Parts: sequence; C-alpha cells; structure tokens
Amino acid sequence: DAGVIQSPRHEVTEMGQEVTLRCKPISGHDYLFWYRQTMMRGLELLIYFNNNVPIDDSGMPEDRFSAKMPNASFSTLKIQPSEPRDSAVYFCASSLAGGLTDTQYFGPGTRLTVL
Amino acid sequence: DAKTTQPNSMESNEEEPVHLPCNHSTISGTDYIHWYRQLPSQGPEYVIHGLTSNVNNRMASLAIAEDRKSSTLILHRATLRDAAVYYCILTKTGANNLFFGTGTRLTVIP
Repeated sequence: DAGVIQSPRHEVTEMGQEVTLRCKPISGHDYLFWYRQTMMRGLELLIYFNNNVPIDDSGMPEDRFSAKMPNASFSTLKIQPSEPRDSAVYFCASSLAGGLTDTQYFGPGTRLTVL
Repeated sequence: DAKTTQPNSMESNEEEPVHLPCNHSTISGTDYIHWYRQLPSQGPEYVIHGLTSNVNNRMASLAIAEDRKSSTLILHRATLRDAAVYYCILTKTGANNLFFGTGTRLTVIP
C-alpha cells in the first residue's frame, strides 16, 4: 500500500487566496483525521471523519476552514480566505477502525506558507 | 483530559539503550498509553502502545508502572535514524483523537 497520500507537498500563496489541501487515506480505513502543526502550538487535531461523515470539528480554528470527504478515498481541507497565521504543516492521517488501540497512519504533510 | 509530562530533550550515544520517560498521573483505568515519534520533516509514526502489561515489538519496548502513573519507552540500541521527537499520548474512552503534547526530542550522538 502507498500509505496516506497528501498533495501538494508545499504550497505558497498570498493572503486572501483560497487554498485547498488534498488527502487520500489508506484503502479500507474508516477514519480520516486532519492535523495542523506549528512551532507555537505543536500538533493539533482539526477535524476527523468516520465513514466520510464529520464527527468532531471542534478543532477547526474558524469559519475560514472547511473540510469535506466526498468519498472513502478522498478528503479536502480548504482555507478561504487564507491568512499568514495559517502558515503551518498540515497532516492527514487515517486509521482502520478509530478505536482506542487503533494506529493512525500519517501522510507526509503539506507545508503551507501564506505571505 | 489526562495529560502527559515528558522531558523536553534527551541525548543518547549510538548503539546504547535509551529510556524515554513519561508521567501520566491522572490516567484513567481504561486509558491506553501510546507512543508515536516524528522524524525530521515527516509525519508522526506509531511506535507502540499498551494498557497495563509491558509490551515489546520490533521497534521498542514499553514498560508501564504498576500504578500506571508513568511509563517508559525503551529503545534497545539507538541508531542515528532514531533521532526524532517522541510523543507519549493517552487515548481516552469515547474519543478517537490523539492529543500530542510537546514530546521529547531525542538526539543520538554518533
């Protein structure tokens, strides 16, 4: 298996532009997670899905952020409009069942820079 | 939420054992202890997890105190590739998310 795939790996954009990050989870995994990592705040969970349905989006910072999972093999995280403080590395992860003992597999991340 | 406390950083010589401590004094009876690590410029990766008994796998061993208020991740022979930030995480009953604290940055000295 190719693992969790994220694209793009790097994104540089200007303040006010729309940014879309993409994730393909491991085939057969029922749970998908979006995390953000910054030096100041470390790794934070933004939102997670179970069987394509958003379960907990309490970590989404504000309305500028939205996430969708139209099918089991694809998810997007959109920021509109983007701001410099959104600069971070965004990770997508998936797990088979999402339980207490289930391993999360992380993608390589997308490094976002908003100028 | 139960939190974990880890040293900010540790050093080890290559090919020597490393013991990475974690305190979790407010752990609940059904919380699992997970360890993940993050190599430079990569996403976190699973290392090991346990509930009450000590656990071994090909990557590491996990020693859990009898009262479960602390645990230790043991790398039996550190290699340069083990240089990473190691996170000790408790998974809560009813929750599917992982709370990553600040972790321990392990430096391996050749």
